[in-house]
Amino acid sequence: RKEVEQDPGPFNVPEGATVAFNCTYSNSASQSFFWYRQDCRKEPKLLMSVYSSGNEDGRFTAQLNRASQYISLLIRDSKLSDSATYLCVVNPGNQFYFGTGTSLTVIP
Amino acid sequence: DTGVSQDPRHKITKRGQNVTFRCDPISEHNRLYWYRQTLGQGPEFLTYFQNEAQLEKSRLLSDRFSAERPKGSFSTLEIQRTEQGDSAMYLCASSRTGGRITDTQYFGPGTRLTVL
Repeated sequence: RKEVEQDPGPFNVPEGATVAFNCTYSNSASQSFFWYRQDCRKEPKLLMSVYSSGNEDGRFTAQLNRASQYISLLIRDSKLSDSATYLCVVNPGNQFYFGTGTSLTVIP
Repeated sequence: DTGVSQDPRHKITKRGQNVTFRCDPISEHNRLYWYRQTLGQGPEFLTYFQNEAQLEKSRLLSDRFSAERPKGSFSTLEIQRTEQGDSAMYLCASSRTGGRITDTQYFGPGTRLTVL
């Protein structure tokens, strides 16, 4: 079983839409969780850390469900500039495990 | 620019040749990571250092791969006797332990390796 699993998409949504991505992880001892954004042929960039209580940064909301072992990312009021691949990252201790990424395209 | 830097950005080599990549982390970061990424996949962990100590190596890291961080600052990743399957983007990331933002990784632009 993979450490981290994501729906690869693609998700094609109109501008202004709300879109949600989920990511499941297998190691219940995982301690740190992140969402990264990766544009085509660029390096991943940190979007936000995911805290147990959930956290929000502008149009982006991240949540963690330890009981079900998943993390989620909600994007409200999608912009064209949100088009990218979103990677969830889980750290169970000494390694960081990345999902395969979910591709998002926001359509005018 | 105080971000993570990698050199070279692109490398084309023939099968069987050795290649070496360099990563310069953010200066106050004590942890340094190497990843490999192929098209359509997320980054795969290869190895990481805390200061000069190599603390973890992935099973993906065959004997042809070696990484060093001799002074706890920059790191090198060497691939010996390259194979076509080594073609990928090699990403370096760094992070700082301690404090609220522990282990947030910042990535360099990557070195794209093509093995002919």
